[in-house]
Amino acid sequence: NAGVTQTPKFQVLKTGQSMTLQCAQDMNHEYMSWYRQDPGMGLRLIHYSVGAGITDQGEVPNGYNVSRSTTEDFPLRLLSAAPSQTSVYFCASRRQGGYTFGSGTRLTVV
Amino acid sequence: TQLLEQSPQFLSIQEGENLTVYCNSSSVFSSLQWYRQEPGEGPVLLVTVVTGGEVKKLKRLTFQFGDARKDSSLHITAAQPGDTGLYLCAGEGTALIFGKGTTLSVSS
Repeated sequence: NAGVTQTPKFQVLKTGQSMTLQCAQDMNHEYMSWYRQDPGMGLRLIHYSVGAGITDQGEVPNGYNVSRSTTEDFPLRLLSAAPSQTSVYFCASRRQGGYTFGSGTRLTVV
Repeated sequence: TQLLEQSPQFLSIQEGENLTVYCNSSSVFSSLQWYRQEPGEGPVLLVTVVTGGEVKKLKRLTFQFGDARKDSSLHITAAQPGDTGLYLCAGEGTALIFGKGTTLSVSS
């Protein structure tokens, strides 16, 4: 039982490049979500999913796409990276009584 | 938009002191959760409070949920250097919304 696994752990992108941040959970949780964490801003919700085939926007969705084809996986796509997307990204899944977070992806856009 | 105001933002104390962190909102939440985050890691759940007025204890940590389910507090008794970290409150409605966090530093 690995919990929530995020890959990669670190990534540097050039402005305009695209990439996908991977998130997988092996706990059969229906609800999954993506957050970004910036200094002084706390954790802000990007997108979330209540189950396979269903996604919705959070507080800061612009510049990010998601899909949920399986219960296990919830990838986050940056179609054209911008320096403002430099951040630490966390994926989480909801269990009874709380959320389990991955260890994060530190993304730098230059 | 639901907002959670967390205070103080920074706290630096000596070992053995007591402290309280506050989490306030104008919104009602179905639950209020407290997390602790270490550098380079994701947040880890400490406790979830669900019922208005509820008090939960976790060793030297005491968590309280306000009667109206809009606010919460975290009290640490006799802080130790191992308590150092970022403490986050989060309210659950349609999604989980976080406060900006309290960075606690406990020196020996």
